[in-house]
Amino acid sequence: NAGVTQTPKFQVLKTGQSMTLQCAQDMNHNSMYWYRQDPGMGLRLIYYSASEGTTDKGEVPNGYNVSRLNKREFSLRLESAAPSQTSVYFCAGQGSYNEQFFGPGTRLTVL
Amino acid sequence: QQQVKQSPQSLIVQKGGISIINCAYENTAFDYFPWYQQFPGKGPALLIAIRPDVSEKKEGRFTISFNKSAKQFSLHIMDSQPGDSATYFCAASLDYKLSFGAGTTVTVRA
Repeated sequence: NAGVTQTPKFQVLKTGQSMTLQCAQDMNHNSMYWYRQDPGMGLRLIYYSASEGTTDKGEVPNGYNVSRLNKREFSLRLESAAPSQTSVYFCAGQGSYNEQFFGPGTRLTVL
Repeated sequence: QQQVKQSPQSLIVQKGGISIINCAYENTAFDYFPWYQQFPGKGPALLIAIRPDVSEKKEGRFTISFNKSAKQFSLHIMDSQPGDSATYFCAASLDYKLSFGAGTTVTVRA
């Protein structure tokens, strides 16, 4: 039981490049989330998926897209990376009692 | 603008002391208030949580105090240990979406 897994762990991009961050969970969560974490700002919600086949914007969605491929997988795509998207990205799944379980994070640097 | 305000930004406590972290919110529709603990290089992990119909919840050395009328809640870490050195985040939930405070870095000196 791996919980919530994320790939890659680290990534360096040049401005304008695209990439997809992958997230998978084996905890049978219906809802999944993508956050970014920046110093002094806590975690901010980018997008979430309340159930398979649905996605919705969070607090900071600009520059990102998501896909809920199936119940297990929820990916985050940066179409044209910008230095302002340098951050640590966390995926999470929601348990039965409102609690969220986080993955280990992807550390992204955009040069 | 942050919906949950957290203070202090950092604190240092001696081993065996009490760490206190405070959070305040404005939206009275929030219905779940968790605290997360995060170690460097790791994802946040749920520590303890409370619902607004309860004024206090204790789990081991960790206690949440909740003041609904003041729209404030706090985390108390009793008998702080060096292993408690981490960043702590409060959060508030509405429609299963979490709004996080900015975080408090706690350092416990041996």
